[in-house]
Amino acid sequence: GEDVEQSLFLSVREGDSSVINCTYTDSSSTYLYWYKQEPGAGLQLLTYIFSNMDMKQDQRLTVLLNKKDKHLSLRIADTQTGDSAIYFCAESNAGGTSYGKLTFGQGTILTVHP
Amino acid sequence: KAGVTQTPRYLIKTRGQQVTLSCSPISGHRSVSWYQQTPGQGLQFLFEYFSETQRNKGNFPGRFSGRQFSNSRSEMNVSTLELGDSALYLCASSTGQGAGETQYFGPGTRLLVL
Repeated sequence: GEDVEQSLFLSVREGDSSVINCTYTDSSSTYLYWYKQEPGAGLQLLTYIFSNMDMKQDQRLTVLLNKKDKHLSLRIADTQTGDSAIYFCAESNAGGTSYGKLTFGQGTILTVHP
Repeated sequence: KAGVTQTPRYLIKTRGQQVTLSCSPISGHRSVSWYQQTPGQGLQFLFEYFSETQRNKGNFPGRFSGRQFSNSRSEMNVSTLELGDSALYLCASSTGQGAGETQYFGPGTRLLVL
C-alpha cells in the first residue's frame, strides 16, 4: 500500500536554505505534492511535480525527485520567519481506485529563527 | 475565483450526537474530497465525490457518510459521535478529470466532541 514518510522537525536560521525530505513507497505514484499548513489554517498548495520529472523550480522553491530511491525533497531558498509552518508531502497515482485520494506524510515542522 | 469554503469553522458536540459539515468547492470544480486530520493519525482520506457519486472511500466506519449536490457542494455527516472523532475536517476540490488532479483545500472545520 501507499506510505509516505517525513522527518518531523527542522530548524533553520533566517536567510539560510531549508531542505525538507520525504520518501514514499508506492512505485505507481504519479503526482507528488508539497503543501504548507500554518496554525489554525487549511492546507496551501506550494508546488507539485510529476513522476516523469527530476526537478521543478518555482521562485524560492526547488523540488527534486529521485524516482529510483522514491525520494522527494523541497528546498526553500532564503528562508524567512513567515515560512515557519508544517510542510506536508503527499502522493497520488493515476490508478482507477485513487480518485480524489492523496496520501500524506506526517508533516515536517519548520521553525525559522531570526 | 473564490477558494474552497467550509462551514461551520468550529463545532462543539457531545458524544452520541450527529454532525453535518458543508463544503463549497471552487467554481467549476466537480470533485470534492474529505480528509480527517488528528495529531495521532495525521491526514487521512475519508471519501471523494464527483458528479453526485462517491468514487472513492477510505477506511472509516459507516458512521462517516457524505453526499454531493448538483451544484457540486458537498456535505459530510458523522453519526453517533465518539470522543475520537474530534479533529480538523478538511475538504478539497479539483476538476475531477483525472485521478491525480491537484487538490485545493478549504480552511477546515474544527470539531470538538465532549
